[in-house]
Amino acid sequence: GQSLEQPSEVTAVEGAIVQINCTYQTSGFYGLSWYQQHDGGAPTFLSYNALDGLEETGRFSSFLSRSDSYGYLLLQELQMKDSASYFCAVRVVGSGNTGKLIFGQGTTLQVKP
Amino acid sequence: NAGVTQTPKFRILKIGQSMTLQCAQDMNHNYMYWYRQDPGMGLKLIYYSVGAGITDKGEVPNGYNVSRSTTEDFPLRLELAAPSQTSVYFCASSSGSNEQFFGPGTRLTVL
Repeated sequence: GQSLEQPSEVTAVEGAIVQINCTYQTSGFYGLSWYQQHDGGAPTFLSYNALDGLEETGRFSSFLSRSDSYGYLLLQELQMKDSASYFCAVRVVGSGNTGKLIFGQGTTLQVKP
Repeated sequence: NAGVTQTPKFRILKIGQSMTLQCAQDMNHNYMYWYRQDPGMGLKLIYYSVGAGITDKGEVPNGYNVSRSTTEDFPLRLELAAPSQTSVYFCASSSGSNEQFFGPGTRLTVL
């Protein structure tokens, strides 16, 4: 079967750095995505990693290690508006060109002043 | 561009009733998806489509049906609503890249 594990909650203070981990067990793997969802809102795409290493986009970075079936999202210079839920999602082999994703259960990030 | 739109925003159904959740996108995306999200949980794929006339089941298709007669529209049909279908439903679309664009969601309660 397919499964993803991420912490349910993380708390950090404004201006700090926080890392949200995601480990996955899948029968095959194309890549790992991250989505942000504010309370009551639609998920929005943050990043996608298909290859090992770190991808940086502004204050957000995402890392993947295929050999360890592990990835993380790194948020720097935290702002109050970063308080949201963050989901990792895997695109698995067998999804072909469908782009099907399997989502983790999400990590709720609370940023405190 | 409006992106992905969904109607209605909210709906309360009685057990056994049926309804159709509407989804439309104006980005000319071939790929469209329906997810449900239960409180405090991730998104579960219900059905997806890779183009007009082509649909397939996702992880949790039971109790739902879809059709895709045009590129723009991807309605989700609930037959014989049950309390277990109380959830937030999100429609998404993609060009085939790694990014999916989500609509604002429909909050459905079945009583």
